[in-house]
Amino acid sequence: GAVVSQHPSWVICKSGTSVKIECRSLDFQATTMFWYRQFPKQSLMLMATSNEGSKATYEQGVEKDKFLINHASLTLSTLTVTSAHPEDSSFYICRGAESLVGETQYFGPGTRLLVL
Amino acid sequence: AQSVTQLDSHVSVSEGTPVLLRCNYSSSYSPSLFWYVQHPNKGLQLLLKYTSAATLVKGINGFEAEFKKSETSFHLTKPSAHMSDAAEYFCVVSDRFGNEKLTFGTGTRLTIIP
Repeated sequence: GAVVSQHPSWVICKSGTSVKIECRSLDFQATTMFWYRQFPKQSLMLMATSNEGSKATYEQGVEKDKFLINHASLTLSTLTVTSAHPEDSSFYICRGAESLVGETQYFGPGTRLLVL
Repeated sequence: AQSVTQLDSHVSVSEGTPVLLRCNYSSSYSPSLFWYVQHPNKGLQLLLKYTSAATLVKGINGFEAEFKKSETSFHLTKPSAHMSDAAEYFCVVSDRFGNEKLTFGTGTRLTIIP
C-alpha cells in the first residue's frame, strides 16, 4: 500500500521557538493533505486541508498564522508551529489523498511535539 | 453534516472471548465508514472500510463490521480477542469516497484481560 512518512517522529522544543513537521507521500501524488492534531487520550481533530499549490483551508478555531501549512508539491506538505507554547504539545498526524474521488487515504505515522 | 458516536469509551474482555465495539453514525449522504486502530504512541492503521458495497465488511486481524442502515450502526466485532488487540479504536465517517473531510469518533480503548 501507499506510504506516507512524517519527519521528525518526535520533537522537543523550547517555548517560543518554531517547529516544522514534514509530511511526504512516498509512492503516490497527494493532491490533498489533511493535518490533524490529537491530544492525549482524545480523538483526532482536523486542523486544516491543503491542496497542492493552494492556500490551506483551516478549521474553525485553528489559528492560520500560528499553524503555517505549505503544500508546494504533490509529494510534500509541511506544518510549521510558530512560536510554540506548552499548550501546543500534541500528536500531529497528516493524511494524504490522491484525489477527491477514490478510496485513497493514507495516514502518516505522526509527530509527537513537546514544548517545554 | 456528519457525526459518529462511539458508545463505549472503554471495553474490557478476556483473551479468547468475543469483542464488540459499538459505533453509530449520522450522515447527510450515503456514508463511507471506517475503523482504525491506534496502538500506544503509534499512528493509525486501517482495519476495514465500508463504501456502499457488501454490508458485512471483513478487515485485517480477524475483525469485521456490519453496516446497518436502519440502525445507523457500524459495530466492530471479532470472535476471539488476542492480547495484541489491546489498543484504541476509532470509528470514522466520511460523506463521500473517503477523501473528503473525515469525522472521527471519540475512540474506544480496548483492554484484553489475560
